[in-house]
Amino acid sequence: AQSVTQPDIHITVSEGASLELRCNYSYGATPYLFWYVQSPGQGLQLLLKYFSGDTLVQGIKGFEAEFKRSQSSFNLRKPSVHWSDAAEYFCAVGARGQGGKLIFGQGTELSVKP
Amino acid sequence: ETGVTQTPRHLVMGMTNKKSLKCEQHLGHNAMYWYKQSAKKPLELMFVYNFKEQTENNSVPSRFSPECPNSSHLFLHLHTLQPEDSALYLCASSQDREATGELFFGEGSRLTVL
Repeated sequence: AQSVTQPDIHITVSEGASLELRCNYSYGATPYLFWYVQSPGQGLQLLLKYFSGDTLVQGIKGFEAEFKRSQSSFNLRKPSVHWSDAAEYFCAVGARGQGGKLIFGQGTELSVKP
Repeated sequence: ETGVTQTPRHLVMGMTNKKSLKCEQHLGHNAMYWYKQSAKKPLELMFVYNFKEQTENNSVPSRFSPECPNSSHLFLHLHTLQPEDSALYLCASSQDREATGELFFGEGSRLTVL
């Protein structure tokens, strides 16, 4: 079955600390992978995406993610978290030709301590 | 205006009411989507339209009726809903259904069914 698992429902980090949000997927085809962020009362905004090539991808707001095919993972990282990063983060998987038929994870809520 | 706009942002309705959600995209995209976001659950794809034609109905109950009069507008007509239909309904668009799956989301319509 196709699925995306984000093991951490809620994470709290201190401002300035590093961050890693985990994402594991199960998908039959070659995956396209995405991370989206949702601030309270807002829609989802794309942070970064992986289609092919370099397995370390850079996104907006200083985020990066690494695709590890052997581990079926696509973890999101940021070296130094800012208070404005507090939001909910969603990992999603799709495939070429599937358009917007993305499978989303349950989301990880990030809180940032001052 | 730019991006994807959804109205109304908040809607409260009784189980016997009929209401509609509206979505408009100003990105020149050809595919539009309705997603449902319930608390503590992954986003669920409801409907996909590609060049105004419905290409996906993800086993959505008939009390939800989509309409796509052109590539820029998408509606979700609601009637005889149930309290469990209370959720955030997100509209999204992409270049087309065969594209890479990068979705652009609206801010959502928060629906409460009494």
